[in-house]
Amino acid sequence: NAGVTQTPKFRVLKTGQSMTLLCAQDMNHEYMYWYRQDPGMGLRLIHYSVGEGTTAKGEVPDGYNVSRLKKQNFLLGLESAAPSQTSVYFCASSLITGIYENYGYTFGSGTRLTVV
Amino acid sequence: EDQVTQSPEALRLQEGESSSLNCSYTVSGLRGLFWYRQDPGKGPEFLFTLYSAGEEKEKERLKATLTKKESFLHITAPKPEDSATYLCAVQAGSARQLTFGSGTQLTVLP
Repeated sequence: NAGVTQTPKFRVLKTGQSMTLLCAQDMNHEYMYWYRQDPGMGLRLIHYSVGEGTTAKGEVPDGYNVSRLKKQNFLLGLESAAPSQTSVYFCASSLITGIYENYGYTFGSGTRLTVV
Repeated sequence: EDQVTQSPEALRLQEGESSSLNCSYTVSGLRGLFWYRQDPGKGPEFLFTLYSAGEEKEKERLKATLTKKESFLHITAPKPEDSATYLCAVQAGSARQLTFGSGTQLTVLP
């Protein structure tokens, strides 16, 4: 059981460069999310998707774009990286459970991104 | 705006010394409160979901409780392997996503 797989695990970018982070899940989950985690600030939602072909902005969407062309994949793009985007990025997925979220999120192991 | 505050930020315990972690929340229409464990260099791992005040859930040495304003994660006779960061999150109103607190870093000394 792979669960949620994120690639790459580590990356160093120069300011202004672009890159794409890939998240893949094999649990047939409808919902997928991208969070960033910074010391003392917890996990903050960047973008999320409630199904194939749909995306929505979260708490901190500026400087990021996303795409969900296939149900199992959720891509996070940085068009022009800035030092403020240095962070650990986590992808997560979850089932649709109607009113109640019974099972919570399944997280990937994270991508550590440094922008210099 | 949903707010989740966890305390303390860090906690050091001796092995066997029981304690509690606190998660206080301000939300409109709580639908679920979640506890996660996060080990260094890894993604958070789901522990519990609580839905209504008075509800309790247990798993090994961990017990989570919920009131209308806060949740507690009680750790009974902790072991060094319980050392981790514990995250609290809420789902509220019509939101599909979770809002996380900043976590409590627990260290259990042998």
